[in-house]
Amino acid sequence: GDSVTQMEGPVTLSEEAFLTINCTYTATGYPSLFWYVQYPGEGLQLLLKATKADDKGSNKGFEATYRKETTSFHLEKGSVQVSDSAVYFCALSDQGSGNTPLVFGKGTRLSVIA
Amino acid sequence: DTEVTQTPKHLVMGMTNKKSLKCEQHMGHRAMYWYKQKAKKPPELMFVYSYEKLSINESVPSRFSPECPNSSLLNLHLHALQPEDSALYLCASSRTGGSGQSYEQYFGPGTRLTVT
Repeated sequence: GDSVTQMEGPVTLSEEAFLTINCTYTATGYPSLFWYVQYPGEGLQLLLKATKADDKGSNKGFEATYRKETTSFHLEKGSVQVSDSAVYFCALSDQGSGNTPLVFGKGTRLSVIA
Repeated sequence: DTEVTQTPKHLVMGMTNKKSLKCEQHMGHRAMYWYKQKAKKPPELMFVYSYEKLSINESVPSRFSPECPNSSLLNLHLHALQPEDSALYLCASSRTGGSGQSYEQYFGPGTRLTVT
């Protein structure tokens, strides 16, 4: 079946440091890929998405590129802020039907210190 | 507007109680989902509704009973729960499309459930 593997946390960075959170996937079809963020005590928010190979999703300074050849969708940000502290989930949705459930990675907790 | 609302925000219930969680969206989405999330874990899918019909039930115990009364509302009825059912319950919605299309899901803030 489909699966998502993302780097284990927690990740602790100083403010303005560069962030990379690795995510790789296996899928039988041609999935759409997503990054969701969950701030403490809240639900999940869609951070960015990509639906086909070489697409780059971006939002709030975060970027991720859909790499079909390496089955990866790594999340990057050039300069993190304390407010970026949260749990980040990589997820896929196989394009088999319009309401295909999300398959999540285990999540990576990011702590940014001032 | 990409808002999904959930009520209540917090719920404490005994093992013999009956309670309901509510979810609402006004984005015109015709797919709605219930997820359960334990601490430090990703969300686990429970149910999927498509066009107000239950399309996926991930072998959830019958003490959880979903209901989709119309295209904007989704309920989760709870009865005779166990302490291990304590978790964050998340509702989500998405567009639906034909084969070959997947759409992002929008999540509500969740209901934090404690079973005593």
